[in-house]
Amino acid sequence: GQQVMQIPQYQHVQEGEDFTTYCNSSTTLSNIQWYKQRPGGHPVFLIQLVKSGEVKKQKRLTFQFGEAKKNSSLHITATQTTDVGTYFCAGSYSSASKIIFGSGTRLSIRP
Amino acid sequence: EPEVTQTPSHQVTQMGQEVILRCVPISNHLYFYWYRQILGQKVEFLVSFYNNEISEKSEIFDDQFSVERPDGSNFTLKIRSTKLEDSAMYFCASMGAIDSNQPQHFGDGTRLSIL
Repeated sequence: GQQVMQIPQYQHVQEGEDFTTYCNSSTTLSNIQWYKQRPGGHPVFLIQLVKSGEVKKQKRLTFQFGEAKKNSSLHITATQTTDVGTYFCAGSYSSASKIIFGSGTRLSIRP
Repeated sequence: EPEVTQTPSHQVTQMGQEVILRCVPISNHLYFYWYRQILGQKVEFLVSFYNNEISEKSEIFDDQFSVERPDGSNFTLKIRSTKLEDSAMYFCASMGAIDSNQPQHFGDGTRLSIL
């Protein structure tokens, strides 16, 4: 079936270090979204990638969508304590269909 | 900015009872979804709804579950005869149109606790 795999499950970094989480789908995606969830909170939409090979930046966050539209990554440069949370990728196989979430990467930061 | 609103924020119910979780999607949105997240796990798709009918549902969404759009604004999830394993955060989401640039907007969720 359609699955979105995400690694790593946990990442513990020193403040100022970089962080990357990766997602991979078994089949080609229509689009992929990234969400951040703080403990006790709801998933907050960060960005959506649609085009093959697309790269988007939001300040220290860089999002990539693979050429085959099967994988994606989120990279945070110089992490800050405010970056703490769980980052989920979520893939969609057609425009209005369900989102399939990855298992998330929980980011914790040592000050 | 328009938001998806969910009520209640927390629902505590005895096992075997029925619960109704309510959502008010963004007003001009056409596609509606329910997801759930068991504590510490990933968000799982339950059901999607368009044009007053279910367009897709997951294996989780069995006969115990139903959805309804009783009027022009509310979108409800009913869980009959609740079980302990139904305890989770339930998120409603809505989307505007069939457009690959449209994300789904999530509500804050309802925490359902089954005792």
